[in-house]
Amino acid sequence: DAGITQSPRYKITETGRQVTLMCHQTWSHSYMFWYRQDLGHGLRLIYYSAAADITDKGEVPDGYVVSRSKTENFPLTLESATRSQTSVYFCASSETGWTEAFFGQGTRLTVV
Amino acid sequence: QKEVEQDPGPLSVPEGAIVSLNCTYSNSAFQYFMWYRQYSRKGPELLMYTYSSGNKEDGRFTAQVDKSSKYISLFIRDSQPSDSATYLCAMMKGNQFYFGTGTSLTVIP
Repeated sequence: DAGITQSPRYKITETGRQVTLMCHQTWSHSYMFWYRQDLGHGLRLIYYSAAADITDKGEVPDGYVVSRSKTENFPLTLESATRSQTSVYFCASSETGWTEAFFGQGTRLTVV
Repeated sequence: QKEVEQDPGPLSVPEGAIVSLNCTYSNSAFQYFMWYRQYSRKGPELLMYTYSSGNKEDGRFTAQVDKSSKYISLFIRDSQPSDSATYLCAMMKGNQFYFGTGTSLTVIP
């Protein structure tokens, strides 16, 4: 299917565990982004990538790791999950970085 | 202080009403201005995208940007129940998007 897909859609994990959220896009967009969405904070940028093997921190990167070995994939890893990382995570892609971002359906992560 | 401020609402209007949604920003470096609509448990989707000051119209939606006042608005005419969603303003600086917290809108039939 064309577009941007995230997996899993829902995840419950325990404090201290490592968890990876997957993001895959079929458009070959250069830019990809990870956001978290929390009540009262809106969407906050965690990390973004301008191309394969190029990543940069956003507003709230602490506790997260990203990689981008292929243009179409941009996984987000929580190295040691904490309850404060309970959130809805959105992946997005953009053709140039100056054009609209297309969002995935989101991953609802609960850390218990 | 957040770089982008948006009244969270919630906003509740009768069907057919004109809706006005607003955001203010503090950084004059923002260049591109967008409005996204987000239905419950879905990802945001782009509604309107504009670069310059002034108005841009698309069907029932009008986006307005006033760079001198650092103020953007989205107007929805003849609002419909299907417009019930959260509306997020967004702005670009460098290669990053900055989002408002979103305004929850309910259009009552």
